[in-house]
Amino acid sequence: EAGVAQSPRYKIIEKRQSVAFWCNPISGHATLYWYQQILGQGPKLLIQFQNNGVVDDSQLPKDRFSAERLKGVDSTLKIQPAKLEDSAVYLCASSTQRLEDTQYFGPGTRLTVL
Amino acid sequence: EDKVVQSPLSLVVHEGDTVTLNCSYEVTNFRSLLWYKQEKKAPTFLFMLTSSGIEKKSGRLSSILDKKELFSILNITATQTGDSAVYLCAVPHPRNYGGSQGNLIFGKGTKLSVKP
Repeated sequence: EAGVAQSPRYKIIEKRQSVAFWCNPISGHATLYWYQQILGQGPKLLIQFQNNGVVDDSQLPKDRFSAERLKGVDSTLKIQPAKLEDSAVYLCASSTQRLEDTQYFGPGTRLTVL
Repeated sequence: EDKVVQSPLSLVVHEGDTVTLNCSYEVTNFRSLLWYKQEKKAPTFLFMLTSSGIEKKSGRLSSILDKKELFSILNITATQTGDSAVYLCAVPHPRNYGGSQGNLIFGKGTKLSVKP
């Protein structure tokens, strides 16, 4: 079974620039999550999709972050414009809807904002 | 406020040592507690605990949950250099909109370094 795929793996940008991350979840997983992990911290949920609908974006800074999951499969997360404090690893995870199942994480994208 | 606190934040041991990592939590409507191992970037799942006092074991790793005292421990026996990683503890947010465990609240992690 293929895992969660993410790209790019690394990105360096200047502040005020835009950046986009892509995630392809495990086939058949209805739920997709984007987490932000700042150095020295645990991951923090930004947004959760169920199929192609948003079910939780309460911690997403909506003035600069946006995400979509077209057709209920792949997802993109965008930051526009980026700030220095957005430097972090952005992790995508996916899961089934069964309570006994866990979330599977992708390799992440390390973003550095200069 | 729902939260997860892990201790210690970092730990250095030698190969062959036994280590115990701690995780305490405060969350309403507790459902489960999860342990992940994070090497480089992607957290990988270790254990999900839902019942008190029942040890889960996988090779040299084991974990147990105490729902009365609101904590869990992760034990690693006969540590190896390959065990060097950040170990994350997480609990599902009480507000679950679906998905297997929903929004996970993570602790800061324990960075374990195993020296040869």
